[in-house]
Amino acid sequence: GENVEQHPSTLSVQEGDSAVIKCTYSDSASNYFPWYKQELGKRPQLIIDIRSNVGEKKDQRIAVTLNKTAKHFSLHITETQPEDSAVYFCAASLGGGSNYKLTFGKGTLLTVNP
Amino acid sequence: GAVVSQHPSRVICKSGTSVKIECRSLDFQATTMFWYRQFPKQSLMLMATSNEGSKATYEQGVEKDKFLINHASLTLSTLTVTSAHPEDSSFYICSAREGLGGGGWGNTIYFGEGSWLTVV
Repeated sequence: GENVEQHPSTLSVQEGDSAVIKCTYSDSASNYFPWYKQELGKRPQLIIDIRSNVGEKKDQRIAVTLNKTAKHFSLHITETQPEDSAVYFCAASLGGGSNYKLTFGKGTLLTVNP
Repeated sequence: GAVVSQHPSRVICKSGTSVKIECRSLDFQATTMFWYRQFPKQSLMLMATSNEGSKATYEQGVEKDKFLINHASLTLSTLTVTSAHPEDSSFYICSAREGLGGGGWGNTIYFGEGSWLTVV
């Protein structure tokens, strides 16, 4: 099955700096890569996703890049703010058909220091 | 975006009893829902895929007789933890894929609020 590795496990940055979280996946057939933000005790919130037909997607301060050849994708957060502090999870899925189950990375605890 | 509602948000039960958790898609129909378990400071681990009108597909290592899943309609899936024990205490969370049918890859997955289960 799919295996997703996520790094780093913890990341501490100063407010205003950029943060980058990286993930690799094992199944070359995976074609959907969402990123979720989870605050303590709450549901994961989808913040951005990318599909395998594009290499980069941006939404305001958040961007995701995908390298299908290398099987890795990254989350970039610019101009970080204290409210960006949370656990971020990457995931991979083989979209299409009924097999939309997500395989998650282990998460990155992002701390943005004021 | 679409809304997935999960109930109860917190439940405490005695060891040996059963607990049912509901997952509802409020403004869309979902043929497929997913149940995850999350231990503190860990990632989400998929337990099973719930398919409307058919048996759930369980991940390796998940006891199907202990974690009963029923997906009776296109908007409701339930997870019943049977004969609960303290080690079953965890955060259980469901997700649903917006969209019907098996075709296409443009459907987003939304999560419920999660349910904290404490077995005493």
